[in-house]
Amino acid sequence: GQQVKQSSPSLTVQEGGISILNCDYENDMFDYFAWYKKYPDNSPTLLISVRSNVDKREDGRLTVFLNKSGKHFSLHITASQPEDTAVYLCAAASNTNKVVFGTGTRLQVLP
Amino acid sequence: DAGVTQTPRHEVAEKGQTIILKCEPVSGHNDLFWYRQTKIQGLELLSYFRSKSLMEDGGAFKDRFKAEMLNSSFSTLKIQPTEPKDSAVYLCASSTGDERLFFGHGTKLSVL
Repeated sequence: GQQVKQSSPSLTVQEGGISILNCDYENDMFDYFAWYKKYPDNSPTLLISVRSNVDKREDGRLTVFLNKSGKHFSLHITASQPEDTAVYLCAAASNTNKVVFGTGTRLQVLP
Repeated sequence: DAGVTQTPRHEVAEKGQTIILKCEPVSGHNDLFWYRQTKIQGLELLSYFRSKSLMEDGGAFKDRFKAEMLNSSFSTLKIQPTEPKDSAVYLCASSTGDERLFFGHGTKLSVL
């Protein structure tokens, strides 16, 4: 079964708004959580990641929130821009370093 | 470019054929992953190697999919025999072991 789930296949946000992408996971052993960005016809690239010993990490317009008790993590993109339009994949791994991915959320930022 | 190299970029096969996809990881990376990407399932892990040792053999993909890593700089994914449902993009990724994955451009497989 899908160990990492992104329940929203798509999200549309107006330019300047905040984009919130969500991910739920099942495995209690996951201790690494990440978000990848994928443009059409390109490969995924890492955006931001956190370890389970923190519940928040900021990097510019990006913030990852981790809720371990709820087995949930999210990516917030503030001041969303049209160039943020892409597919966002959440990922998680345990100490085996086997990285598993969600099915992706397609974000569209409208100018 | 010293990134992950995958060949071929596109492959067209008849049902029942054997195809071999190739991957060269980033030099010095110890971990290598094969994923299958489809619109419905997203990225599905097929195989995972650490220092050339097979750590994950693909579960449901075991019967027709076989990944090998003959040396630290080259891996293959064999699909035998191919079926139309195998049509997808096959991605190879490598890492130093810190979970940050670097992906190749992928091989788009079409099985007729």
